Amino acid sequence: QKEVEQNSGPLSVPEGAIASLNCTYSDRVSQSFFWYRQYSGKSPELIMSIYSNGDKEDGRFTAQLNKASQYVSLLIRDSQPSDSATYLCAVRGSNYKLTFGKGTLLTVNP
Amino acid sequence: EAGVVQSPRYKIIEKKQPVAFWCNPISGHNTLYWYRQNLGQGPELLIRYENEEAVDDSQLPKDRFSAERLKGVDSTLKIQPAELGDSAVYLCASSLAGGTNEQFFGPGTRLTVL
Repeated sequence: QKEVEQNSGPLSVPEGAIASLNCTYSDRVSQSFFWYRQYSGKSPELIMSIYSNGDKEDGRFTAQLNKASQYVSLLIRDSQPSDSATYLCAVRGSNYKLTFGKGTLLTVNP
Repeated sequence: EAGVVQSPRYKIIEKKQPVAFWCNPISGHNTLYWYRQNLGQGPELLIRYENEEAVDDSQLPKDRFSAERLKGVDSTLKIQPAELGDSAVYLCASSLAGGTNEQFFGPGTRLTVL
């Protein structure tokens, strides 16, 4: 059973702080990694994808991947109340199937 | 560019009744996925289509669930008969061909089985 693990939270940060979201996965041959944001009552929205080791930055978001440690993270700089949502980590394995974690609930306090 | 379209957005039925969900993917996306998301969980894949072909239906409960994508564009997911445990959000997603690309989700259908 290929698994994706995330802390369920809630993770609470003050406005303007850096939010750090973490994810580990069990399938060593995984090649593609994604972060989705899901507001309450809405569907998942793709915010970041990363395919190689290292960091990938897009605006206030930075995804970090370490395949040796089977670890992927998402940093949100200058967190805003509008960033409050559940963040889903998704990992694509060798069979092209996308496996999601349960998500981490992030709350940004004004 | 229009996103993935799903209907209905909400559906309430009694157990043992049939129900169907419809999905229209992003134009040009040959790969279509149906997921189910239970409360507090991440989405779980039910079936993946490449054009008209169901290339991964290993997680689809085939005794009561069926799906089709007859012309390689729109898709329908059906449950017959529905059970109480089928209450969930049913999400459709699409991507460019090959299953290796980024997936984009529709708004989902929230199903409540009474």
